[in-house]
Amino acid sequence: GENVEQHPSTLSVQEGDSAVIKCTYSDSASNYFPWYKQELGKRPQLIIDIRSNVGEKKDQRIAVTLNKTAKHFSLHITETQPEDSAVYFCAARTPGGSEKLVFGKGTKLTVNP
Amino acid sequence: ETGVTQTPRHLVMGMTNKKSLKCEQHLGHNAMYWYKQSAKKPLELMFVYSLEERVENNSVPSRFSPECPNSSHLFLHLHTLQPEDSALYLCASSQEMARGGYTFGSGTRLTVV
Repeated sequence: GENVEQHPSTLSVQEGDSAVIKCTYSDSASNYFPWYKQELGKRPQLIIDIRSNVGEKKDQRIAVTLNKTAKHFSLHITETQPEDSAVYFCAARTPGGSEKLVFGKGTKLTVNP
Repeated sequence: ETGVTQTPRHLVMGMTNKKSLKCEQHLGHNAMYWYKQSAKKPLELMFVYSLEERVENNSVPSRFSPECPNSSHLFLHLHTLQPEDSALYLCASSQEMARGGYTFGSGTRLTVV
């Protein structure tokens, strides 16, 4: 089955700096890669996603890149703000069957003012 | 509310108790999921229901028993739990074949004493 590795597990940056979180996946058939943000005590919320026919997607300060050959994808946050502090999860979905998402273990991002 | 409602928000139960967690989605989705979130395994898939049929069970102990009476409701019945079962239990829903992400509920914080 699919296996998703996420790095780093913790990340601390200064306000205004950029943050990058990286994930790798094992199943080359995976075709959908969402990113979730979970603030303390709250539910995970979808912030951006990318499909396998696209190499990059951007939404304001957030961007995701996908390298299908290397089977890795990354989340980029520019001009970080304290409210970006949260745990971020990447995920991958393999088509067919239950189409479940397999999540990485999460990255705790702290943006220091 | 995001359209996925979980009750109760908090639950404390003894190891000999029987309780149930409830999840309801108002999004017209056709797949629902139970995840366990703990410090050791941040987002661990427990059960997947697609079109009200259980399509996946990730080797979850029998003290957890899911029920999906219709596409809008999902239950997790609990009995004779162990202290290590204390965690946040998250429900999610999605629309299969639509290549979209999950919508999560706020979760039930379970403490087993």
